[in-house]
Amino acid sequence: DTAVSQTPKYLVTQMGNDKSIKCEQNLGHDTMYWYKQDSKKFLKIMFSYNNKELIINETVPNRFSPKSPDKAHLNLHINSLELGDSAVYFCASSQVLSNEQFFGPGTRLTVL
Amino acid sequence: EDQVTQSPEALRLQEGESSSLNCSYTVSGLRGLFWYRQDPGKGPEFLFTLYSAGEEKEKERLKATLTKKESFLHITAPKPEDSATYLCAVQEAGSARQLTFGSGTQLTVLP
Repeated sequence: DTAVSQTPKYLVTQMGNDKSIKCEQNLGHDTMYWYKQDSKKFLKIMFSYNNKELIINETVPNRFSPKSPDKAHLNLHINSLELGDSAVYFCASSQVLSNEQFFGPGTRLTVL
Repeated sequence: EDQVTQSPEALRLQEGESSSLNCSYTVSGLRGLFWYRQDPGKGPEFLFTLYSAGEEKEKERLKATLTKKESFLHITAPKPEDSATYLCAVQEAGSARQLTFGSGTQLTVLP
């Protein structure tokens, strides 16, 4: 009965590789988000999708590309990984009439 | 640009020792102020939403209050299980609902 789930939990990869992180929510929400939490614990918005449509695209390198196949899924694909991409990535979801966002457990990405 | 500043960065309390965490914010218009709890290795867990100055919300040993410039999270008679990082976030009116987070207060409650 997990509300927001992410896979994988941990991802260790070499510089230059391409990787994806998957997110699924079973709350029936229509808006999903990707946040990045750096080593200083700052959570920063990256992207937001509402009903499969991109509505927020913060200043993020274009190596990062979100993809939303349907309302319940928002995946994050990262090309040509760099050392600075190492962080914890959180997926979240909310209902349009509610401001409360519910977060997944996070994916810790380590780029070597 | 929205700014959210939390203080202190870290707080150590003895069990039963009440205290407050502060979140000061600067936004052009506030849609909502949110408090989250984050345990190590986990995602933030929603606690409260406050919408207007003077509003208060309570949950067990936690009470959140809001003024026009800041919010406080009061912890009454804390227990060791209250140890976590507490995050404050604001949502600006007219925005696409993204949250702007502070850097958090790491609370440790000693038995």
